[in-house]
Amino acid sequence: DAGITQSPRYKITETGRQVTLMCHQTWSHSYMFWYRQDLGHGLRLIYYSAAADITDKGEVPDGYVVSRSKTENFPLTLESATRSQTSVYFCASSENGYNSPLHFGNGTRLTVT
Amino acid sequence: AQKITQTQPGMFVQEKEAVTLDCTYDTSDPSYGLFWYKQPSSGEMIFLIYQGSYDQQNATEGRYSLNFQKARKSANLVISASQLGDSAMYFCAMRDLSFSGGYQKVTFGIGTKLQVIP
Repeated sequence: DAGITQSPRYKITETGRQVTLMCHQTWSHSYMFWYRQDLGHGLRLIYYSAAADITDKGEVPDGYVVSRSKTENFPLTLESATRSQTSVYFCASSENGYNSPLHFGNGTRLTVT
Repeated sequence: AQKITQTQPGMFVQEKEAVTLDCTYDTSDPSYGLFWYKQPSSGEMIFLIYQGSYDQQNATEGRYSLNFQKARKSANLVISASQLGDSAMYFCAMRDLSFSGGYQKVTFGIGTKLQVIP
């Protein structure tokens, strides 16, 4: 089925561990985005990508790493998880263009203990 | 610097009444897009409506309309004839050029929680 999928849906990890959140889209959209959602902060942009091998920082990139070797995948890695990274993470994709809405995955709820 | 401002943390509206959710934005890019999304308690993000910076008319999609005032940099969402199913978080977002990377990025506001009262 066409769409955007995130995995896992839920993840519990310990402080200091590396964890990777996966995002896969089947539309061949050029743009992909990672957001974190926290109460009182709305959605904050972590990283985004305009195409394969082109990524740029968002508002809150510290502690996160991304890569995009293929158009359809945009994994987000927390190199050494901290409790402050406990959040709901959303991946989104879109076509290029100011009139292109974002299509969101269902989110990953990450808890760092 | 915050580029999307939603100043109403929570709003109440009576069923069947209209409600306006406020959104102001800031950008120096002459080309940009403005979006509204709905997030029900189930958590998914649902695209509602889009307004382009060069659009002459306000966007409408069913019961949703966007009151676009470019000089004031505001893009308020109007929901007419509210229904109980409209109870949700609503996010305003803007797509414009990121000068740091030269690519389009999409910035969201902190959201407004709307509750429809029967």
